[in-house]
Amino acid sequence: EDKVVQSPLSLVVHEGDTVTLNCSYEVTNFRSLLWYKQEKKAPTFLFMLTSSGIEKKSGRLSSILDKKELFSILNITATQTGDSAIYLCAGSGSARQLTFGSGTQLTVLP
Amino acid sequence: GAVVSQHPSWVICKSGTSVKIECRSLDFQATTMFWYRQFPKQSLMLMATSNEGSKATYEQGVEKDKFLINHASLTLSTLTVTSAHPEDSSFYICSARTEGSAGYTFGSGTRLTVV
Repeated sequence: EDKVVQSPLSLVVHEGDTVTLNCSYEVTNFRSLLWYKQEKKAPTFLFMLTSSGIEKKSGRLSSILDKKELFSILNITATQTGDSAIYLCAGSGSARQLTFGSGTQLTVLP
Repeated sequence: GAVVSQHPSWVICKSGTSVKIECRSLDFQATTMFWYRQFPKQSLMLMATSNEGSKATYEQGVEKDKFLINHASLTLSTLTVTSAHPEDSSFYICSARTEGSAGYTFGSGTRLTVV
């Protein structure tokens, strides 16, 4: 059975701090690792990672995948209150459905 | 980009009634639609995978007679919660695989409250 584990489960920081969110996975016939931001409704896509060691970057957010260690991290620099959300990590395997981790609840205080 | 339209966005129903949730792919054909459920402060849990023109595949522990999935066309998949009970109250969301960098497109979700 596929498994995705995220840590920490929750995190409280102040504006301007840098945070690192962790995701480890065990996915049969692994194809990709995806990161999402979820506020009140549907998850919003952030990154899809398929290749090991290549950093993907979008503004203050960046992510990297380590396929040898079955691990990914999501970094957010200079956090803002608008970054407060649940960050979800999901693995995709041969069956193509996504297996989600439990999420990290990030709270950024002003 | 690819859009999946899901409705209703929220619904309140009485215990024992049935509720249908629709997901339509607006500008692409969704051969496969995934249905997820999310309880408060928990992650998305896959309920079932529906394939156009064939029976859905349900995850372990999901009652197929209670959660009826129909995927009769390449642009429409429906989830019907039959004889709903308060414990079925949850956030239901569909997702389809798409080409492009995002890989998957989600509907906007349906918040179901059974009273």
